[in-house]
Amino acid sequence: DAGVIQSPRHEVTEMGQEVTLRCKPISGHNSLFWYRQTMMRGLELLIYFNNNVPIDDSGMPEDRFSAKMPNASFSTLKIQPSEPRDSAVYFCASSWGGVYETQYFGPGTRLLVL
Amino acid sequence: KNEVEQSPQNLTAQEGEFITINCSYSVGISALHWLQQHPGGGIVSLFMLSSGKKKHGRLIATINIQEKHSSLHITASHPRDSAVYICAVRWTIKAAGNKLTFGGGTRVLVKP
Repeated sequence: DAGVIQSPRHEVTEMGQEVTLRCKPISGHNSLFWYRQTMMRGLELLIYFNNNVPIDDSGMPEDRFSAKMPNASFSTLKIQPSEPRDSAVYFCASSWGGVYETQYFGPGTRLLVL
Repeated sequence: KNEVEQSPQNLTAQEGEFITINCSYSVGISALHWLQQHPGGGIVSLFMLSSGKKKHGRLIATINIQEKHSSLHITASHPRDSAVYICAVRWTIKAAGNKLTFGGGTRVLVKP
């Protein structure tokens, strides 16, 4: 199994630009999670999908952030417009069965907004 | 306020030593996760607990629901165990929804 796949692995962009992060969960998993990790705040859950439906987006910081899951094998996290404070590592994870089951993490996307 | 506290923040051990990392939380939970983040940044989920004890290889995780406390033990530690260990909880209170709250992590260094 390829595991959770994220792209790009690194992204450097300028303030104001749109950023799209991509995630392919493990085949057969029905839950997908987007996390953000910074030195100041540690790991934070941004949004959680179950069967492609957003279940809890209370962690999404503001309207500049949006996430979609058009099908079971693909999700995007979009930031528009990006700001320097969005610089972080963004992890995607998937599981079979939501927050009560083991989550498998992708390698992360390291985002730097200048 | 719903909080998750980990101790110690940093831990250095000699290879072979027994290591204990602690996680305390403020109110009732329905699940607690232990994660391992390697120096390269990759994250691995180690355990998900709602009660009792789980063991995987040299790792043992325990949880005491009454005391609102969980421990992660590493037996016969090895340099490859060097990582940041993070606990995360899912609160039982309805207002918290499905949100996971993370501890600040414990940085473990095992010297050869």
